[in-house]
Amino acid sequence: DAGVTQSPTHLIKTRGQQVTLRCSPKSGHDTVSWYQQALGQGPQFIFQYYEEEERQRGNFPDRFSGHQFPNYSSELNVNALLLGDSALYLCASSTRGGVQPQHFGDGTRLSIL
Amino acid sequence: AQRVTQPEKLLSVFKGAPVELKCNYSYSGSPELFWYVQYSRQRLQLLLRHISRESIKGFTADLNKGETSFHLKKPFAQEEDSAMYYCALSGLGGTSYGKLTFGQGTILTVHP
Repeated sequence: DAGVTQSPTHLIKTRGQQVTLRCSPKSGHDTVSWYQQALGQGPQFIFQYYEEEERQRGNFPDRFSGHQFPNYSSELNVNALLLGDSALYLCASSTRGGVQPQHFGDGTRLSIL
Repeated sequence: AQRVTQPEKLLSVFKGAPVELKCNYSYSGSPELFWYVQYSRQRLQLLLRHISRESIKGFTADLNKGETSFHLKKPFAQEEDSAMYYCALSGLGGTSYGKLTFGQGTILTVHP
């Protein structure tokens, strides 16, 4: 089992563009959470998806949106990119709506020029 | 609001010495506390959670609700313990269920 997988590994965009990041959860997991980790900071919760619906949301603007597919994989979309969106984006999966501990992927490094 | 504070950004000890990484939290309900670790060039991984009361790699942590602390301890540090350590909190119910709030992390360096 490869665990949580994320793609792409790195991404470079310019201000104003839109980006889509992808995540496949660990086998047997049905819940996906997304986090943003700025340099030198701990991860910050963006939102969580379970049963294809957004269940929890952190303090992030509507430019950040997501989706969960029937196979439990998930996408994070960010519109109108700002320089401040440069960060490592982590996906974590768990079971039963977040009851079980979250397992993290390697992340996608997003750089905004 | 929930908050996790790790007061030490950097912590250095010698091999064989005891180590304690501090974590304090703020949460109005019943919290679930975790320690995550990130070794060099590896992904973030769960070290332990207070509900399971497991001891992983010789580390333990006790939830002190009176002092709102969840300090991580190990009696004899090893060089392979050098890593970044994050304390994290989730609510056991309500609106914070399944949402992890992380501290800023502590870099532990164990010298030979």
